[in-house]
Amino acid sequence: DARVTQTPRDKVTEMGQEVTMRCQPILGHNTVFWYRQTMMQGLELLAYFRNRAPLDDSGMPKDRFSAEMPDATLATLKIQPSEPRDSAVYFCASGLDVGTEAFFGQGTRLTVV
Amino acid sequence: ILNVEQSPQSLHVQEGDSTNFTCSFPSSNFYALHWYRWETAKSPEALFVMTLNGDEKKKGRISATLNTKEGYSYLYIKGSQPEDSATYLCAPATSGTYKYIFGTGTRLKVLA
Repeated sequence: DARVTQTPRDKVTEMGQEVTMRCQPILGHNTVFWYRQTMMQGLELLAYFRNRAPLDDSGMPKDRFSAEMPDATLATLKIQPSEPRDSAVYFCASGLDVGTEAFFGQGTRLTVV
Repeated sequence: ILNVEQSPQSLHVQEGDSTNFTCSFPSSNFYALHWYRWETAKSPEALFVMTLNGDEKKKGRISATLNTKEGYSYLYIKGSQPEDSATYLCAPATSGTYKYIFGTGTRLKVLA
C-alpha cells in the first residue's frame, strides 16, 4: 500500500558528523514536508516543497541544515555539522497538493552524542 | 508566525464519556485546518481537512466543527473508547504561505 518511507529509522552519530535523512514520498504527491518533533514545540515545520521547488524553509537553521528534492521520488534533509541539540525525531510527510491531508512517514530518530 | 493554541493540554476520561477539545488560531487569512490523531510510537494520521466557515465533518464517533470568523475549531469524541487514547493535533494554514503549523496537541487518555 502507498506510504511515505523514511530512512534510516534510527541514527546515532557523533557531534560534528554529517547526517543525511531520506524520504520517499507517496507516488503522485507533489507536496513534501519536513517536521521535527521536540518536547517543547511538538511538531516544528522545517521546510516544505511543492513540485520539488522549496516553498518555505524559514523554520530551518540555515547555517547547518539543508533540504533538497533531487527528484520527485526523493527528499533529503541534511545536517552538517550535527550538534547534540539536533537530537529529535524527524518526520517527512507528503500530500497530493497544498491543502490536502498530509501522510506521514515513520520518522527518523536522530541521536547526536 | 501563526499562533496555534490547543486546550486542554491533557485530558483523562472514563470509557463511554463524550469529550471535546479546542483549537484556536488567528482568523485572518485563513486557508484550511487539519486535524490529526497521533498514537504513541506511531506517526500522525489525518482525521479531517476543513476549509469553509461552518464546516462540520464526521468520522465514526469523532466529529469536528470550524469557525473561521472567530478562529476556532472543536473536535468531539462521542462515547470515548480506550483505543481513542492518543494526542489530537490541529494544524491551520494561512493563504499565501500554505504552511501548516501544528499546535502542541491535546493528550487524551480513556480509562477502561
